[in-house]
Parts: sequence; C-alpha cells; structure tokens
Amino acid sequence: KNEVEQSPQNLTAQEGEFITINCSYSVGISALHWLQQHPGGGIVSLFMLSSGKKKHGRLIATINIQEKHSSLHITASHPRDSAVYICAVIGSGGGADGLTFGKGTHLIIQP
Amino acid sequence: EAGVAQSPRYKIIEKRQSVAFWCNPISGHATLYWYQQILGQGPKLLIQFQNNGVVDDSQLPKDRFSAERLKGVDSTLKIQPAKLEDSAVYLCASSLQAGQGNIQYFGAGTRLSVL
Repeated sequence: KNEVEQSPQNLTAQEGEFITINCSYSVGISALHWLQQHPGGGIVSLFMLSSGKKKHGRLIATINIQEKHSSLHITASHPRDSAVYICAVIGSGGGADGLTFGKGTHLIIQP
Repeated sequence: EAGVAQSPRYKIIEKRQSVAFWCNPISGHATLYWYQQILGQGPKLLIQFQNNGVVDDSQLPKDRFSAERLKGVDSTLKIQPAKLEDSAVYLCASSLQAGQGNIQYFGAGTRLSVL
C-alpha cells in the first residue's frame, strides 16, 4: 500500500511569494496527480505526470521517480490560489488505478 | 462538455438510516470511481467501475456499503445502515478509460452528515 506524505500541511504566505508544496510516496507509481480543492467545491485536476516537469500558467510540477518525490510550485502567488492542494498517486501494479491521496496542503495567500 | 454530476449535494440522516447517492459521469467515460473524504483527510477510493464491471472494491465496507453501475453509465452508492463515522464527502470521478494516461474528473461531491 502506498503512503503519500505532503508537506507542509498548512501554509500562509503573502501575495507575490513563490510557493512550494512537496509530496513523497513510498512505493513505485505509474503516475502522480496534483489536484486543487476549494472550500465547499469539487476537486480539479491540475497536473498528471509520470516524469520530468510540467508547466501551466503560474503552476509548475516536477517529479523525481528515483527519489519518489514531487513538488508543486506557484509563482507570483495570488489570493485566488488559496485552496487545498492534494497530491495523489496511481500504483504501478496495473489493473485498478484508483488514486491514493495525500492529506492535502491548505494554502492561504494573503493580499 | 458537461462535468461529472452528483446528487444530492448535501444529506443529513440519523444513524442506522439508509442513504443513496447518485453520479452521472462525463458522457463517454468508461471508468467511474467513488471516493470517501473524511474531514481533514485526503479522499480514499471506495470502488472503481470499468463500464458496468467492478475493477476494485477492496476498500469498500461491504457489510454496509454497496454500489452499482447497471448500464455502465450512471452509478449509485448506498449506505445501509449508516454509522456516525460515515460522515464525509462522497466524491464521484470519471475518466475516459482506466490507465495512467487518463485524467480523472471529479464531481462536486455529496456531503453526508450522520447524526
């Protein structure tokens, strides 16, 4: 069973700061997701990656398969980025591919 | 493109009562997932369907939880009888197919409170 750990659990920063959220997992995976969840809202998929780096607007996600570690970066953070960011992985065993989630990082960006 | 639809958005019941949730995935998506998210935790997979067949239900408490996807489209998740610890948000997600290359799209969830 894969254990997914995220850090920090809570993060408060000022508008414009560079944000980094980390995710580590214990067992080999086939893919890793970064998801965003707003209070009372559903979950939105930000990235899915299995190697290297992806960029979308001010968001950047990287993964190091050997180190079993991924990071999500937000550049020029804005109050609307305030949300819970969740790391989730799909195991490499094939067949079922339900996600195993971390507990999430609660991000607050203050104006 | 319409997203994953879930209903109801909120449900309050007393323990030992029964409750059912409904999910309509994105049109054409063969794979459907039900997740349970307890407050302060990440979601946990309950069951995964591929069309109308079950791929994984290893974490579904089968003594009280059941789910079906009879025609391979809509799905219902039932709890009978409910316990206090079932209070959670129940999320439905769908993807085009199973497999690492497919993004899962989530519904808004059903928030269940068991009193």
